[in-house]
Amino acid sequence: SAVISQKPSRDICQRGTSLTIQCQVDSQVTMMFWYRQQPGQSLTLIATANQGSEATYESGFVIDKFPISRPNLTFSTLTVSNMSPEDSSIYLCSVQVGLNQPQHFGDGTRLSIL
Amino acid sequence: AQSVSQHNHHVILSEAASLELGCNYSYGGTVNLFWYVQYPGQHLQLLLKYFSGDPLVKGIKGFEAEFIKSKFSFNLRKPSVQWSDTAEYFCAVIPHGSSNTGKLIFGQGTTLQVKP
Repeated sequence: SAVISQKPSRDICQRGTSLTIQCQVDSQVTMMFWYRQQPGQSLTLIATANQGSEATYESGFVIDKFPISRPNLTFSTLTVSNMSPEDSSIYLCSVQVGLNQPQHFGDGTRLSIL
Repeated sequence: AQSVSQHNHHVILSEAASLELGCNYSYGGTVNLFWYVQYPGQHLQLLLKYFSGDPLVKGIKGFEAEFIKSKFSFNLRKPSVQWSDTAEYFCAVIPHGSSNTGKLIFGQGTTLQVKP
């Protein structure tokens, strides 16, 4: 399966600031996704990162708050903008090599907002 | 709304005990089904998957799961657990209409603690 590198692994940020999380894959993949795991809860899909076009966001998530880039088939970024304590979560990147293939996950970014 | 329900939030077993973790989903159509595992300090890993064919699926480390369409269930089993199976287990579903979008819907997770 693809090797996924996610950076940073953790960060502590001030309220009102923004943080960009990077996801790098060692091979070209069809699809890349961003998930959020809030404390004590399960994973929720934020958006699908589309190569060369705007991301597809799930209900409850908007581009202004979570801008996403995917400049090529191996790299994507997620920005958490204007952070508040409610954004404290683990953010995970996942990739799908092809259609009807399982998703594989990165190590996640543990984000705490003071 | 589509959802996935895992019956047990926290399971404690002794080594060599048998394991069954329940998973039910709410979607009337065709689905792809998955179990993921997260060992302490590690990332989510795929344990097994079901796309089609034999409803009894075998995964890594001796785990298996059975898809029962009539019950909308995909329970995870292992005949004899080991201390190293201590982890969090997530059931996940992709409704078939979402196979192009890849939207994984996760259950709440079950924490398994195996006592040596």
